[in-house]
Amino acid sequence: SQQGEEDPQALSIQEGENATMNCSYKTSINNLQWYRQNSGRGLVHLILIRSNEREKHSGRLRVTLDTSKKSSSLLITASRAADTASYFCATGGMDSSYKLIFGSGTRLLVRP
Amino acid sequence: GAVVSQHPSWVICKSGTSVKIECRSLDFQATTMFWYRQFPKQSLMLMATSNEGSKATYEQGVEKDKFLINHASLTLSTLTVTSAHPEDSSFYICSARKPGLAGETQYFGPGTRLLVL
Repeated sequence: SQQGEEDPQALSIQEGENATMNCSYKTSINNLQWYRQNSGRGLVHLILIRSNEREKHSGRLRVTLDTSKKSSSLLITASRAADTASYFCATGGMDSSYKLIFGSGTRLLVRP
Repeated sequence: GAVVSQHPSWVICKSGTSVKIECRSLDFQATTMFWYRQFPKQSLMLMATSNEGSKATYEQGVEKDKFLINHASLTLSTLTVTSAHPEDSSFYICSARKPGLAGETQYFGPGTRLLVL
Protein backbone atom coordinates (compact mmCIF):
# COMPACT_ATOMS: atom_id res chain seq x y z
CA SER A 1 0.00 0.00 0.00
CA GLN A 2 1.15 3.54 -0.57
CA GLN A 3 2.78 5.24 2.36
CA GLY A 4 1.54 8.72 1.78
CA GLU A 5 0.51 11.54 -0.38
CA GLU A 6 2.29 14.18 -2.33
CA ASP A 7 1.03 17.57 -3.24
CA PRO A 8 0.46 19.13 -5.53
CA GLN A 9 -0.47 16.30 -7.88
CA ALA A 10 0.58 18.51 -10.77
CA LEU A 11 2.60 21.68 -10.98
CA SER A 12 3.22 23.95 -13.95
CA ILE A 13 5.81 26.70 -13.71
CA GLN A 14 7.89 28.93 -15.93
CA GLU A 15 11.54 28.16 -16.55
CA GLY A 16 13.67 29.92 -13.94
CA GLU A 17 11.07 29.72 -11.19
CA ASN A 18 11.38 27.48 -8.16
CA ALA A 19 9.30 24.34 -7.74
CA THR A 20 8.26 23.00 -4.36
CA MET A 21 6.74 19.57 -3.82
CA ASN A 22 5.52 18.19 -0.54
CA CYS A 23 5.29 14.64 0.75
CA SER A 24 3.49 13.31 3.80
CA TYR A 25 3.84 9.83 5.24
CA LYS A 26 2.21 7.79 7.95
CA THR A 27 4.65 5.59 9.86
CA SER A 28 8.08 5.90 11.44
CA ILE A 29 10.88 5.93 8.93
CA ASN A 30 14.61 5.32 8.72
CA ASN A 31 15.06 7.53 5.68
CA LEU A 32 13.16 9.37 2.98
CA GLN A 33 14.26 9.50 -0.62
CA TRP A 34 13.23 11.47 -3.68
CA TYR A 35 13.20 9.98 -7.14
CA ARG A 36 12.53 11.39 -10.56
CA GLN A 37 10.78 9.60 -13.43
CA ASN A 38 10.71 10.78 -17.00
CA SER A 39 7.63 9.71 -18.91
CA GLY A 40 7.55 5.97 -19.48
CA ARG A 41 10.98 5.36 -18.02
CA GLY A 42 12.59 4.04 -14.89
CA LEU A 43 13.32 6.09 -11.81
CA VAL A 44 16.45 8.01 -11.00
CA HIS A 45 17.55 8.56 -7.42
CA LEU A 46 17.90 12.23 -6.51
CA ILE A 47 18.60 12.51 -2.82
CA LEU A 48 18.29 10.63 0.47
CA ILE A 49 17.69 12.23 3.84
CA ARG A 50 17.92 10.24 7.06
CA SER A 51 15.44 10.48 9.90
CA ASN A 52 17.94 12.34 12.09
CA GLU A 53 18.58 14.99 9.44
CA ARG A 54 16.46 18.07 8.87
CA GLU A 55 17.78 19.47 5.62
CA LYS A 56 19.97 18.39 2.76
CA HIS A 57 21.23 20.01 -0.42
CA SER A 58 22.41 18.62 -3.72
CA GLY A 59 23.04 21.08 -6.53
CA ARG A 60 19.73 22.84 -7.25
CA LEU A 61 17.84 20.48 -4.95
CA ARG A 62 16.96 21.17 -1.35
CA VAL A 63 15.15 18.61 0.77
CA THR A 64 13.70 19.13 4.21
CA LEU A 65 12.36 16.55 6.62
CA ASP A 66 10.09 17.16 9.60
CA THR A 67 9.61 13.87 11.42
CA SER A 68 7.26 15.43 13.97
CA LYS A 69 4.88 16.32 11.15
CA LYS A 70 5.79 13.27 9.08
CA SER A 71 6.43 15.43 6.06
CA SER A 72 9.14 16.32 3.60
CA SER A 73 9.57 18.87 0.85
CA LEU A 74 11.64 18.98 -2.29
CA LEU A 75 12.63 22.36 -3.68
CA ILE A 76 14.08 22.67 -7.16
CA THR A 77 15.59 26.10 -7.68
CA ALA A 78 16.00 27.90 -11.00
CA SER A 79 14.02 25.24 -12.84
CA ARG A 80 14.79 24.23 -16.39
CA ALA A 81 12.62 22.68 -19.08
CA ALA A 82 14.67 19.50 -18.65
CA ASP A 83 13.35 19.23 -15.07
CA THR A 84 9.95 18.30 -16.49
CA ALA A 85 9.19 14.88 -15.01
CA SER A 86 7.28 13.13 -12.23
CA TYR A 87 8.81 13.30 -8.77
CA PHE A 88 8.19 10.69 -6.10
CA CYS A 89 9.08 10.54 -2.46
CA ALA A 90 9.75 7.11 -1.01
CA THR A 91 10.15 6.10 2.61
CA GLY A 92 12.44 3.46 3.99
CA GLY A 93 11.12 1.76 7.09
CA MET A 94 12.70 0.82 10.39
CA ASP A 95 12.99 -2.86 9.55
CA SER A 96 15.84 -4.51 7.67
CA SER A 97 13.94 -5.19 4.47
CA TYR A 98 15.14 -2.05 2.64
CA LYS A 99 11.68 -1.83 1.10
CA LEU A 100 10.62 1.56 -0.20
CA ILE A 101 7.04 2.74 -0.12
CA PHE A 102 6.33 5.39 -2.71
CA GLY A 103 4.13 8.44 -2.49
CA SER A 104 1.58 9.36 -5.11
CA GLY A 105 3.94 11.64 -7.05
CA THR A 106 3.95 15.17 -8.41
CA ARG A 107 3.96 15.80 -12.15
CA LEU A 108 6.09 18.84 -12.83
CA LEU A 109 5.91 20.77 -16.09
CA VAL A 110 8.48 23.49 -16.64
CA ARG A 111 7.48 25.75 -19.52
CA PRO A 112 10.34 27.18 -21.59
CA GLY B 1 28.07 3.27 -11.43
CA ALA B 2 24.95 1.29 -10.81
CA VAL B 3 23.20 0.25 -13.97
CA VAL B 4 20.15 -1.96 -14.02
CA SER B 5 18.72 -3.30 -17.24
CA GLN B 6 15.39 -4.91 -18.04
CA HIS B 7 14.44 -7.09 -20.92
CA PRO B 8 12.26 -6.87 -22.86
CA SER B 9 11.42 -3.17 -22.83
CA TRP B 10 7.97 -3.92 -24.13
CA VAL B 11 5.96 -7.03 -24.90
CA ILE B 12 2.58 -7.76 -26.42
CA CYS B 13 1.10 -11.17 -25.79
CA LYS B 14 -2.13 -13.07 -26.11
CA SER B 15 -4.33 -13.75 -23.13
CA GLY B 16 -3.40 -17.02 -21.44
CA THR B 17 0.27 -16.98 -22.29
CA SER B 18 3.13 -16.49 -19.85
CA VAL B 19 5.64 -13.68 -20.07
CA LYS B 20 9.09 -13.55 -18.51
CA ILE B 21 10.78 -10.26 -17.65
CA GLU B 22 14.47 -10.15 -16.76
CA CYS B 23 16.14 -7.67 -14.45
CA ARG B 24 19.94 -7.49 -14.40
CA SER B 25 22.39 -5.46 -12.40
CA LEU B 26 25.16 -4.83 -14.89
CA ASP B 27 28.02 -3.47 -12.81
CA PHE B 28 27.31 -4.57 -9.27
CA GLN B 29 26.08 -7.55 -7.34
CA ALA B 30 22.58 -7.13 -5.99
CA THR B 31 21.60 -9.32 -3.08
CA THR B 32 18.15 -7.78 -3.13
CA MET B 33 15.97 -6.81 -6.06
CA PHE B 34 12.47 -5.40 -5.99
CA TRP B 35 9.60 -5.65 -8.44
CA TYR B 36 7.05 -2.87 -8.85
CA ARG B 37 3.99 -2.34 -10.93
CA GLN B 38 2.87 1.05 -12.17
CA PHE B 39 -0.40 2.01 -13.79
CA PRO B 40 -0.63 5.09 -16.03
CA LYS B 41 -0.13 8.34 -14.13
CA GLN B 42 0.02 6.50 -10.84
CA SER B 43 2.70 5.66 -8.33
CA LEU B 44 4.79 2.52 -8.02
CA MET B 45 3.25 -0.35 -6.11
CA LEU B 46 5.73 -2.77 -4.60
CA MET B 47 4.90 -6.32 -5.64
CA ALA B 48 7.68 -8.35 -4.08
CA THR B 49 11.18 -8.40 -2.69
CA SER B 50 13.56 -10.84 -4.31
CA ASN B 51 16.56 -12.12 -2.41
CA GLU B 52 19.27 -14.15 -4.09
CA GLY B 53 19.02 -17.81 -3.27
CA SER B 54 15.78 -17.62 -1.33
CA LYS B 55 12.06 -17.33 -1.94
CA ALA B 56 10.64 -13.94 -2.78
CA THR B 57 8.59 -12.04 -0.24
CA TYR B 58 5.33 -10.88 -1.73
CA GLU B 59 3.30 -7.87 -0.67
CA GLN B 60 -0.22 -8.33 0.54
CA GLY B 61 -2.64 -8.88 -2.29
CA VAL B 62 -0.03 -10.01 -4.81
CA GLU B 63 -0.61 -13.58 -6.03
CA LYS B 64 2.65 -15.51 -5.79
CA ASP B 65 1.41 -18.19 -8.20
CA LYS B 66 0.51 -15.52 -10.71
CA PHE B 67 3.74 -13.55 -10.50
CA LEU B 68 6.62 -15.99 -10.21
CA ILE B 69 9.91 -14.49 -9.12
CA ASN B 70 13.28 -16.17 -9.36
CA HIS B 71 16.54 -14.65 -8.17
CA ALA B 72 19.02 -17.26 -9.32
CA SER B 73 22.18 -15.17 -9.20
CA LEU B 74 23.51 -11.98 -7.68
CA THR B 75 22.90 -10.12 -10.93
CA LEU B 76 19.66 -11.56 -12.26
CA SER B 77 16.06 -11.69 -11.11
CA THR B 78 13.16 -12.73 -13.29
CA LEU B 79 9.44 -12.05 -13.03
CA THR B 80 7.12 -14.39 -14.89
CA VAL B 81 3.53 -13.33 -15.36
CA THR B 82 1.73 -16.63 -15.73
CA SER B 83 -1.46 -17.05 -17.75
CA ALA B 84 -1.55 -13.34 -18.44
CA HIS B 85 -4.87 -11.56 -18.80
CA PRO B 86 -5.69 -8.04 -20.02
CA GLU B 87 -5.86 -6.76 -16.45
CA ASP B 88 -2.18 -7.69 -16.06
CA SER B 89 -1.30 -5.06 -18.66
CA SER B 90 0.91 -2.58 -16.90
CA PHE B 91 4.39 -1.10 -16.60
CA TYR B 92 6.65 -3.39 -14.58
CA ILE B 93 9.80 -1.92 -13.06
CA CYS B 94 12.56 -3.64 -11.17
CA SER B 95 15.16 -2.15 -8.88
CA ALA B 96 18.27 -3.40 -7.17
CA ARG B 97 20.14 -2.33 -4.10
CA LYS B 98 23.83 -2.55 -3.45
CA PRO B 99 24.85 -4.28 -0.25
CA GLY B 100 26.63 -2.22 2.35
CA LEU B 101 26.28 1.05 4.16
CA ALA B 102 24.67 2.90 1.25
CA GLY B 103 22.23 0.11 0.61
CA GLU B 104 19.09 2.14 1.14
CA THR B 105 19.22 3.59 -2.36
CA GLN B 106 17.58 1.58 -5.09
CA TYR B 107 18.71 1.62 -8.70
CA PHE B 108 15.91 1.19 -11.17
CA GLY B 109 15.66 -0.52 -14.50
CA PRO B 110 14.03 1.27 -17.43
CA GLY B 111 10.82 -0.74 -17.07
CA THR B 112 8.90 -3.24 -19.19
CA ARG B 113 5.58 -2.33 -20.70
CA LEU B 114 3.28 -5.34 -20.94
CA LEU B 115 0.16 -5.36 -23.07
CA VAL B 116 -2.04 -8.43 -22.92
CA LEU B 117 -4.59 -8.73 -25.72
